[in-house]
Amino acid sequence: DGGITQSPKYLFRKEGQNVTLSCEQNLNHDAMYWYRQDPGQGLRLIYYSQIVNDFQKGDIAEGYSVSREKKESFPLTVTSAQKNPTAFYLCASTKAGAHEQYFGPGTRLTVT
Amino acid sequence: AQSVTQLGSHVSVSEGALVLLRCNYSSSVPPYLFWYVQYPNQGLQLLLKYTSAATLVKGINGFEAEFKKSETSFHLTKPSAHMSDAAEYFCAVTRANQAGTALIFGKGTTLSVSS
Repeated sequence: DGGITQSPKYLFRKEGQNVTLSCEQNLNHDAMYWYRQDPGQGLRLIYYSQIVNDFQKGDIAEGYSVSREKKESFPLTVTSAQKNPTAFYLCASTKAGAHEQYFGPGTRLTVT
Repeated sequence: AQSVTQLGSHVSVSEGALVLLRCNYSSSVPPYLFWYVQYPNQGLQLLLKYTSAATLVKGINGFEAEFKKSETSFHLTKPSAHMSDAAEYFCAVTRANQAGTALIFGKGTTLSVSS
């Protein structure tokens, strides 16, 4: 079955450590996105990529970094510069020519 | 600039009652609009989408939404609520007409269904 995989489901880190969240899709979608979800805040865009080797900052990119070396993969690194990293992170993708996004199951990151 | 406002962070209905979740948008270009549903600790699932074809859009699980340009609204309805409809619902609009553009999401409405 095609879909978007995010791993791990739950992630725990100590403050000051960088952590990388995985996002893989086998839908052959061109565009991929990372969102952050906090209670009562909806989803906020961190980074997005419309083609391999290219990505753009979203609304809350500070303290995050991404790469897009392969069409299938769009990992997100939460750096120690992110002041409040504890959140639910969602990866999404869109096929060429479309507007609707399909989401992965999410990763819940807790930093203490 | 595009924006989405969902009126009411919480909506409670009885099983069998009408569900109405409100969404108003602001867009400088003809919008593409979406409703998503999220169950606890899961990703978002697409319920339905408006892409400038029919103004009344039917989605999964018996939901539908009507695009009203004059009211800049895209409210989600279901004639008869089921216990399994309890979840969080998000309205979203595209940032631009370009395919592959990111979405702007409302802050969500939590639907509770009582028996």
